[in-house]
Amino acid sequence: SQQGEEDPQALSIQEGENATMNCSYKTSINNLQWYRQNSGRGLVHLILIRSNEREKHSGRLRVTLDTSKKSSSLLITASRAADTASYFCATANQAGTALIFGKGTTLSVSS
Amino acid sequence: NAGVTQTPKFQVLKTGQSMTLQCAQDMNHEYMSWYRQDPGMGLRLIHYSVGAGITDQGEVPNGYNVSRSTTEDFPLRLLSAAPSQTSVYFCASSYSSILNTEAFFGQGTRLTVV
Repeated sequence: SQQGEEDPQALSIQEGENATMNCSYKTSINNLQWYRQNSGRGLVHLILIRSNEREKHSGRLRVTLDTSKKSSSLLITASRAADTASYFCATANQAGTALIFGKGTTLSVSS
Repeated sequence: NAGVTQTPKFQVLKTGQSMTLQCAQDMNHEYMSWYRQDPGMGLRLIHYSVGAGITDQGEVPNGYNVSRSTTEDFPLRLLSAAPSQTSVYFCASSYSSILNTEAFFGQGTRLTVV
């Protein structure tokens, strides 16, 4: 069963614009993670935000977490064509042994 | 540092054949897991391991076996391939519990069962 659900499923923007993706989850979490997957490649970890954190930055990425609403958002500022990829949120299963993924948001950035 | 290495990258099997997907990591990670990714879906957990000699089932384990004889290797065996197992398979590893750290993924194995 999937823990997280990303919204929107697909997003198309122009270079230089900001991209915002949302993730909702069902149960309490210890942390929430965001991953990027370029077409035909493996997943790459972007950022981990713990349940006691509200916001975290990494370069052009900003992640927020609202545990009261069981939701998180990933903001990519000043998007580039190279940001074209699928983005997934993931949380740990109860035992902390593996990740549970949402279905992802497919971002397309055109130049 | 190679990270997580999966072989083969592509494979075509006939229904009923068996095969092993290889996964190796050189980061001395204790936790390893196998996922499958189907179109329009996120990754679903097949099996995972928290150390050598310890494995357990994930969300979709039927038709797959795993073993963990060493820290480095975590092979996934398809016992009798079925078209429903056509998918992209990803192996991942983490230094410790996912409650505390991120996972590293291999590049995937694209499997087609005809």
